[in-house]
Parts: sequence; structure tokens; C-alpha cells
Amino acid sequence: QQQVKQSPQSLIVQKGGIPIINCAYENTAFDYFPWYQQFPGKGPALLIAIRPDVSEKKEGRFTISFNKSAKQFSLHIMDSQPGDSATYFCAASTTNTGKLIFGQGTTLQVKP
Amino acid sequence: DTGVSQDPRHKITKRGQNVTFRCDPISEHNRLYWYRQTLGQGPEFLTYFQNEAQLEKSRLLSDRFSAERPKGSFSTLEIQRTEQGDSAMYLCASSFKAGESGNTIYFGEGSWLTVV
Repeated sequence: QQQVKQSPQSLIVQKGGIPIINCAYENTAFDYFPWYQQFPGKGPALLIAIRPDVSEKKEGRFTISFNKSAKQFSLHIMDSQPGDSATYFCAASTTNTGKLIFGQGTTLQVKP
Repeated sequence: DTGVSQDPRHKITKRGQNVTFRCDPISEHNRLYWYRQTLGQGPEFLTYFQNEAQLEKSRLLSDRFSAERPKGSFSTLEIQRTEQGDSAMYLCASSFKAGESGNTIYFGEGSWLTVV
């Protein structure tokens, strides 16, 4: 019940494309859903996060779509750039502990 | 705000040796987390502190692992009698207490451990 399942494992798009990464969770107590970006040899960096009281959140080129009834959420990257090539992790936590449960990660490659 | 700082960034040790990692959280953050990440996997929760109190430990944290946060500031993670399976990146993160300024958790750059 603590798992967060992420797909796809890897993704290749052309520059300007819109990669979409999906995550699903089981624990209905989760109330905070962040996405992290990680470059090789670096720690994860927060990209964008959403709470279950909204269905969509946009920050720059990054959008989270959230479907509470399906217990799914996804990350869309608009007008993707080669600099977006990285590993992306979804995560979930409860407000009480703040402990993040991460998905398995998606390696994105944006071709010039 | 200098971010979460971890030291050392890289450590190579022989099997059976003890190692210690240090984490300095963002000042004023009262929560501090330790995670472990292996190649190709997402970070896995190990333990967390609120101020100096260790509130939760994962089952991943065997008896050979111990974490402390004296005085609620920096934290140390010690691994005794290291095994090759301990080779991973150890990530530290910090945040305000959940509910205060949101749940935003900031990660450090990690400490890479290689056990040979």
C-alpha cells in the first residue's frame, strides 16, 4: 500500500515534444505529490508538486495532472528541450510525516 | 540559504570498516531525512528526525546503521561493518515541519559509498 508505481521506465522524444510520465498510488492517505528531477551525480531537485484538492497545476513548462478517483497523477513537459534530459521521479507523502515514497524513476532523453 | 550540505561526497571503504556521513540541513528546517539510492532506482526512505528526536526508522535500517541529530542541527549516519550491499548514494534532505510552509523537501547532493 506504500508503493508508488511509475511508468514508463525510459522515454525518448524529439526537441519540442511533450513527454508524459505517469504514476499511480494505493495509499489514500497520501496528500502531497511532488515531482523531482535528477541529473547524474546530483541529488533530486523539486520541480513541481500538487495536493489532491486540485486536478491540475502548471509551473512554466511543467504541468501535473491529478486524478484522485483513479489514484493517478502525471507530469507533462511542454516544448521539451535537450537540457530536460534527466531522470524524473514522482513521489507521494502524507502531511503528518512528510516522508516521501518515490516511484522507480523515468529516464528522459530529449533529442535535438 | 546554502542548501543541504553533505560530507564526504565520495567514500571508498573496505568491507568490514565503519563509515560516517554528515549532513547539515538548511538552517531553520526542523525536519531531517536520510534516504538511500542505488543505481537506476528511486530514493528509499531510511529515517527521519524532527529536531533531535528520531521519529521513524525504516526496516531497511539494519542494526549496523545508526543515525543521530544532536541538538537538532546537523545529523550523522554511521554504517558499521560495511558490506558490499551497502554501496549506494546516501541522500540527506530537510524541510520545515509538515504543515508549516508546505511539505517541500530539499535534498543534498548525496554521499556516494563504495564498499570494496
